[in-house]
Amino acid sequence: DGGITQSPKYLFRKEGQNVTLSCEQNLNHDAMYWYRQDPGQGLRLIYYSQIVNDFQKGDIAEGYSVSREKKESFPLTVTSAQKNPTAFYLCASRKRDTQYFGPGTRLTVL
Amino acid sequence: GQNIDQPTEMTATEGAIVQINCTYQTSGFNGLFWYQQHAGEAPTFLSYNVLDGLEEKGRFSSFLSRSKGYSYLLLKELQMKDSASYLCAVRVEGSSNTGKLIFGQGTTLQVKP
Repeated sequence: DGGITQSPKYLFRKEGQNVTLSCEQNLNHDAMYWYRQDPGQGLRLIYYSQIVNDFQKGDIAEGYSVSREKKESFPLTVTSAQKNPTAFYLCASRKRDTQYFGPGTRLTVL
Repeated sequence: GQNIDQPTEMTATEGAIVQINCTYQTSGFNGLFWYQQHAGEAPTFLSYNVLDGLEEKGRFSSFLSRSKGYSYLLLKELQMKDSASYLCAVRVEGSSNTGKLIFGQGTTLQVKP
């Protein structure tokens, strides 16, 4: 089946540790996106990539980093510089006009 | 600035019709999307409007008026499984290549028996 996978679904980390969230898609989509969702707020764009080996900062990129070495994969690293990392993280890929989302990873930093 | 407004919460009765409104003030406009999101799950695509008018898809319809900066999502014959958050998102002009979207905060709909 084609789709977007994110793992793990729940992730716990200690403050001060970097953590990498995975996002994989087998839909052959060029563009991929990372969003953060906090309670009562809309999705906010962290980073996006339109093609392999290229990515751009979104609206809230500080404290995050990404890579796009393969078309299928767009991992997000939450660094210790991110002041408030506890959130629900959503990855998406785009076909023509529409973005399709993965199941999300809920990150809790203790 | 970019601003998208939706009501925070709505309640409706099973079998009824509900209309969820979305107003936007953005620097340009290049399409409006509606997504459904059940608690703790991924948003799923419902509809896309780029021209004025009504788009119908089964029990769900979406309307757009670009001159008024206004859209609504209409849900008919409500079912309990329609209890979810509904997200309005706008693609601003100039973003057609990047596909970047600006999201509203979402409307949480509770369907009661």
